Amino acid sequence: DGGITQSPKYLFRKEGQNVTLSCEQNLNHDAMYWYRQDPGQGLRLIYYSQIVNDFQKGDIAEGYSVSREKKESFPLTVTSAQKNPTAFYLCASSAMTGLHEQYFGPGTRLTVT
Amino acid sequence: GENVEQHPSTLSVQEGDSAVIKCTYSDSASNYFPWYKQELGKRPQLIIDIRSNVGEKKDQRIAVTLNKTAKHFSLHITETQPEDSAVYFCAARMYSGGGADGLTFGKGTHLIIQP
Repeated sequence: DGGITQSPKYLFRKEGQNVTLSCEQNLNHDAMYWYRQDPGQGLRLIYYSQIVNDFQKGDIAEGYSVSREKKESFPLTVTSAQKNPTAFYLCASSAMTGLHEQYFGPGTRLTVT
Repeated sequence: GENVEQHPSTLSVQEGDSAVIKCTYSDSASNYFPWYKQELGKRPQLIIDIRSNVGEKKDQRIAVTLNKTAKHFSLHITETQPEDSAVYFCAARMYSGGGADGLTFGKGTHLIIQP
């Protein structure tokens, strides 16, 4: 299961705290993505980045922030402004050419109480 | 933006029978349609994908069909086995040589294979 990793697997935070989720890939992919998954729902796109130092908002970016200082890393910060942060967060990466298949990390389950 | 609808939300079939999951999309510019399988608590895994210049694609017991005019695509699993039990997601995306946008997913189908 190498290639794209996320840590930690489980994360617990108190309401009002910011929390940063880690995503690292060694697939030499240019593009990276963050999705959120809620029970009984599909994955929804939060942010994505096609190149270092550049990123775009997805469908549900409010209350989240990202950075892309290195090609291998795309951390996601869940801020206190996110009203319902408890969810399963999935990071993915893909090449910018060829098949564009997205490979997913194992996910981080965030619980905010 | 793109909207993907997926049906049914739950599908129960007898082992050995076929299963069909259907999706529709709204953006006629979408040209890439992957299907993912997700087991409980695990990451989604790509099982098959199709591009808009192809009408059908097969990989052993799995096939996907695409009708661009009607804007719908379907996943077909034949000779179902217990290990096929999982949640299946369809997705759509417009991509070009210069871009790699995010996927828009359907809400998923829980496939249950009855012994």
